Amino acid sequence: QVQMQQSGPRLVRPSQTLSVTCVISGDSVSSNNAAWNWIRQSPSRGLEWLGRTYYRSKWSNDYAVSVKSRLIISADTSKNQFSLQLNSVTPEDTAVYYCTRANSDWYFDYWGQGSLVTVSS
Amino acid sequence: DIQMTQSPSSLSASVGDEVTITCRASHSISTSFNWYQQKPGKAPKLLIYSASSLQSGVPSRFSGSGSGTDFTLTISSLQPEDSATYYCLQSHSTPYTFGQGTKLEIK
Repeated sequence: QVQMQQSGPRLVRPSQTLSVTCVISGDSVSSNNAAWNWIRQSPSRGLEWLGRTYYRSKWSNDYAVSVKSRLIISADTSKNQFSLQLNSVTPEDTAVYYCTRANSDWYFDYWGQGSLVTVSS
Repeated sequence: DIQMTQSPSSLSASVGDEVTITCRASHSISTSFNWYQQKPGKAPKLLIYSASSLQSGVPSRFSGSGSGTDFTLTISSLQPEDSATYYCLQSHSTPYTFGQGTKLEIK
């Protein structure tokens, strides 16, 4: 059974960096049959896919155009976790952030519990 | 980007009723399509994957159909615990995109 446990600050100041980490159990972040994604949800934007990282002989990343210039998703194989770093945040980045696993058919089958992050001064 | 148009945005039905939610993709996505259920304060839960396959542990009153651009989620014999918001997701290509959601109220 795959479990995904999220951690990260709940309040971030405007222009600062938002960071959330997702610890994986029951699977490997280096799996050749999975991709590790970040999704956020807000009343104004609904559910929004932000990006993913995955390993297929080498690491690859894909990002949504809306955040591509500000987002870094990285994996830490020693801790079996992956992280989101969103730079230069504004109040519009206030949302619940979810980590998810996409399986070999690319749909999201496991989700973290969600992290409500508020951007406010 | 592939746009997902979901309807209705809300509906109300009684226990035992059958309801249908639809989702239309702006481009053909074959069967790379999925349905999720979300309850307040919780992460979305996978119900249907690949358009019509029932996720393990999901009651058989949930079913999905469609391919290409038009997809349907049917819930037969509604139960009180089906009160939730339902979302569609296309997993055909990035950026993956969700529908706007359908809020289902049980009368």
